[in-house]
Amino acid sequence: GDSVTQMEGPVTLSEEAFLTINCTYTATGYPSLFWYVQYPGEGLQLLLKATKADDKGSNKGFEATYRKETTSFHLEKGSVQVSDSAVYFCASGRGADGLTFGKGTHLIIQP
Amino acid sequence: NAGVTQTPKFQVLKTGQSMTLQCAQDMNHNSMYWYRQDPGMGLRLIYYSASEGTTDKGEVPNGYNVSRLNKREFSLRLESAAPSQTSVYFCASSGPGTNTGELFFGEGSRLTVL
Repeated sequence: GDSVTQMEGPVTLSEEAFLTINCTYTATGYPSLFWYVQYPGEGLQLLLKATKADDKGSNKGFEATYRKETTSFHLEKGSVQVSDSAVYFCASGRGADGLTFGKGTHLIIQP
Repeated sequence: NAGVTQTPKFQVLKTGQSMTLQCAQDMNHNSMYWYRQDPGMGLRLIYYSASEGTTDKGEVPNGYNVSRLNKREFSLRLESAAPSQTSVYFCASSGPGTNTGELFFGEGSRLTVL
């Protein structure tokens, strides 16, 4: 079956640092790819998405590019803020049978 | 917009007790899902309903049952709760107007089984 592997944390950075969270996937065919963010005590919110190879998803300064050749969808941000502290989930899927999630990466940004 | 609403938000059960988690969405979505979230395990799919009248097992269905009551509502039932079912449960939905596979989540239901 499909699987998603992402770096596990916690990842601790200083404010204004550059962020990369790695994500790779295995799937048959060409799934859509997603990054979700979860703030403490809340549900998951869609951060960005890409539906085909070479698409770049972006939102709130975060970016990720769908790389078919490396089966990757790494999340990046040029300058993180304390408010970016959260758990980030990479996910893949298509159709109506749900998404497969990675285990999540806990990001801590220190002022 | 309410989006996806789950009840209850918190519940404590004793081993062997039963309970039902309720979920409703107001986005006219066709598909609904139940996931559980455990530390270090990410989110794992329990059951899903691709459309009204159908339900299918996900990755971890044992110990659970579901009912797709109508297009809006999808409930998850624990018939005889076990400590291993202590978790945070999330309901989600997807449907027409969204990119394929994109899910909209509720705020979660935290269940503790003693």
